[in-house]
This record gives sequence, C-alpha cells and structure tokens, in this order.
Amino acid sequence: QSVLTQPPSASGTPGQRVTISCSGSSSDIGSNTVNWYQQLPGTAPKLLIYYNNQRPSGVPDRFSGSKSGTSASLAISGLQSEDEADYYCAAWDDSLNAVVFGGGTKLTVL
Amino acid sequence: QVQLQESGPGLVKPSETLSLTCTVSGGSISSYYWSWVRQPAGKGLEWIGRLYSSGGTNYNPSLKSRVTMSVDTSKSQLSLSLSSVTAADTAVYYCARGGAHGGSRPRNAFDIWGQGTMVTVSS
Repeated sequence: QSVLTQPPSASGTPGQRVTISCSGSSSDIGSNTVNWYQQLPGTAPKLLIYYNNQRPSGVPDRFSGSKSGTSASLAISGLQSEDEADYYCAAWDDSLNAVVFGGGTKLTVL
Repeated sequence: QVQLQESGPGLVKPSETLSLTCTVSGGSISSYYWSWVRQPAGKGLEWIGRLYSSGGTNYNPSLKSRVTMSVDTSKSQLSLSLSSVTAADTAVYYCARGGAHGGSRPRNAFDIWGQGTMVTVSS
C-alpha cells in the first residue's frame, strides 16, 4: 500500500495529451514539493520533474507537472510511442521523515 | 559524467545480512545526498533511506531497525546493509543521487541512478 495514490494505468493515442494524478496528504504533498520519474521497461527510473514543475535538462517540454493542495499531476502532451513507461510520483513525508512514492502508473500508447 | 554502479551478492540466505556497495565515478561524492531505492519484481519503488556525504542518515521507518548506510569518500563508495532478510526483501536495489546541499535541486530528487542489482533472498 503506497502512501501516494496513483491510477494503476493510463492510455492515449499518439499526439494526444494525457494526465496522471497523484494524491497525497497534508504531511507529504501538502507540505513538500513533488518529483516525477519515468521508468522504461527494464531500466532504472529517470527524473522527469522536480520541484512540482521543473524539468531537468534534456527532458522535453511535452512533460509538465503541477501541484494543488495535496494532489499533483503529470501531463504529457503530443504523446509518442516512446512515452510508454511506468510513471511514479514522489515526495518527502514530514510525519514519516521519509521519501514516499506513488504506486506507479503504467502508460500505454495505443 | 557521473555514473553509479551497484555491486554485491545476488543471493542471500534468509535471516542473513544483505550488503551492497555503490561506486560513484566521474564526479564527487561530497556535498550530495545519496539514497537507496528498491523495487520488487513487477512492483513499485520503495525508498530505503539516504545519507549525506558527511555521514548523516535518514531511514524508512519500516526498515529502520534493519538498515545501516555508510559512505567512504576516499573510495567514492556508498554502502547498504540490511539485516535479518526475508523473501520480502527480494528486489532490484538501486543507488541514486539526490540534490546537493544548498543546490538548486531537492535532496530527494534523484537525477542519477545506478543500473540496479538484483538480490534474491532464498535458502
């Protein structure tokens, strides 16, 4: 049981815009910033978004993040086949004094 | 560029201690926060804990009683020990770099990951 809640799956067709939600509580998302990771099959996770909406160098601007209250979202516009991956949200939890992850969302490009 | 490489036994017996090393190459280990993350097959990510390059640590409360992390800056190596392992500890174990102290990225935003090492707990 993950502390942060994500839908287990999401899908879209090439060119579409999809969003993935991440729900938390006052002690995690409500008090701290959110990071997002992309994990392609068989590979290590890759940092996609940090500080809620900042992209590391090299991450396309098709990926964007937002946060409101105790929830956050990752949006992917202009969906491409190579975006098919698992996506995880993460945040610091002040009550646990730990990093907590969402359960992950498997994105399928139809 | 900075690279991380995990190493250690791929098979550990139940009740024994899992010991892994993460070697940092191409950059400094100093001033950064370093985390260990694990992932059971087909499941999500679980943060194990982190340490600062000078030695301060934070551990996942669910694993705290069994985890020890340390750093050897002279060897550019991080170490993870997990005691009294069970089958539930079978997973791919990753080391990952967080932000730098006073840097522009959060200490828990992991921008560089090792390739991961599979550890199976079985007799």
